[in-house]
This record gives sequence, structure tokens and C-alpha cells, in this order.
Amino acid sequence: DAKTTQPPSMDCAEGRAANLPCNHSTISGNEYVYWYRQIHSQGPQYIIHGLKNNETNEMASLIITEDRKSSTLILPHATLRDTAVYYCIGSPHNFNKFYFGSGTKLNVKP
Amino acid sequence: GAGVSQSPRYKVAKRGQDVALRCDPISGHVSLFWYQQALGQGPEFLTYFQNEAQLDKSGLPSDRFFAERPEGSVSTLKIQRTQQEDSAVYLCASGRQETQYFGPGTRLLVL
Repeated sequence: DAKTTQPPSMDCAEGRAANLPCNHSTISGNEYVYWYRQIHSQGPQYIIHGLKNNETNEMASLIITEDRKSSTLILPHATLRDTAVYYCIGSPHNFNKFYFGSGTKLNVKP
Repeated sequence: GAGVSQSPRYKVAKRGQDVALRCDPISGHVSLFWYQQALGQGPEFLTYFQNEAQLDKSGLPSDRFFAERPEGSVSTLKIQRTQQEDSAVYLCASGRQETQYFGPGTRLLVL
């Protein structure tokens, strides 16, 4: 599975867009990029995943660079409830274990 | 619908005691995963089931850890002769296609 690199922490003002970067330069062609988040004392929550096309759902948008070496998770209007640790994971599409790494602690401030 | 549930949510064990942690996956989900999360770290893979078959147990840290899913639904993670280093949150996830859905975890404290 691809090793991913994320900044340890980021701040974002409430109501603004939060852009969380992830580097996955060793990702292989069959590996998807998954994003999960973990709010304190809860289990990880699925956000979004993609292969090479940009993806959008009700929670977020995922922008993957053309060379697939990096991606950005975008929360368009961050709220205080979006404060969490965000994990970027590279994994094959067929069911496989996830390697979570340390993630990015997003602090949304009023 | 109902998500993944885990019980107990909290467990305090004396060192040397055996514990059993239960996971109820989302109905119909074929795949089931167990992860261990130490304080301040990301979850780490322990083992994976597809239906009742345990296809990957490479993450189990020692032979004191044992997992089963006899009927392809509920799973139990058993830890024998618990040690202080086993203190962690144990997360269960189930999935049907490309996404894993996690339960709230069981927080185990070994004294």
C-alpha cells in the first residue's frame, strides 16, 4: 500500500474552506485514495475516495493531481464539528487493510 | 440503518486476565476488519475476515491475540493473559464493496 504524508496539524476559520493536502508519490495504478476522519473518542468516519478523477459528495470534494502523486481534501464551509484528525490512505480497490499513518489534526476555530 | 456496534465500550482488566471484545457488523457486510489504536496514534491493522474465513492475521501482535467469526457475522477478538501494552482502543470495521465502516471501538485498559 502507498505511503502517504500529511502535515501534522492545520487551522481553519469557521465558515471558510479547509484544504487538507496529502502526498502519495509511491501510489500504484490500482490504488485508490481514501479519506477518513476521526472525531475525538469516536471510530473513523468515511469521507470520500477516488482513483484519478476528482470526486464530490455531500461531505467534501477530493482533488487528485494528474500524476496522482498528491491529493487535496476540501471541506467547502468548515464548521466547529469538523474539528478532527483527517487520514489519507492509499489502498487497492479490492478489500484490503488500511494503513492510517498519523493524519492531520484540523482545528476549526470560531 | 444500524451501523457497526461494539461491546463493551469500555473494559478494565487486571494484568493476566483474559478479555473478549465483540463486534456486530452491518448486516450483509462480507468483510470485517479489526484494528488497534494506541493513544495519539492512527489505527493499526490486526486481522481481516471475508465471511467466516480469516484471510489475513498478519497484524496480530502475538499468539495471545485470537479472532473468530464462526458464522460470518458477529466477530470476537480475544486477548489472553492481558499485558499493560495491550491497553488501546480496539476498532472493528465492516464493508461490502470498496468502503470500510467503523464502529465506535472498545477502550481496553489493563492495570
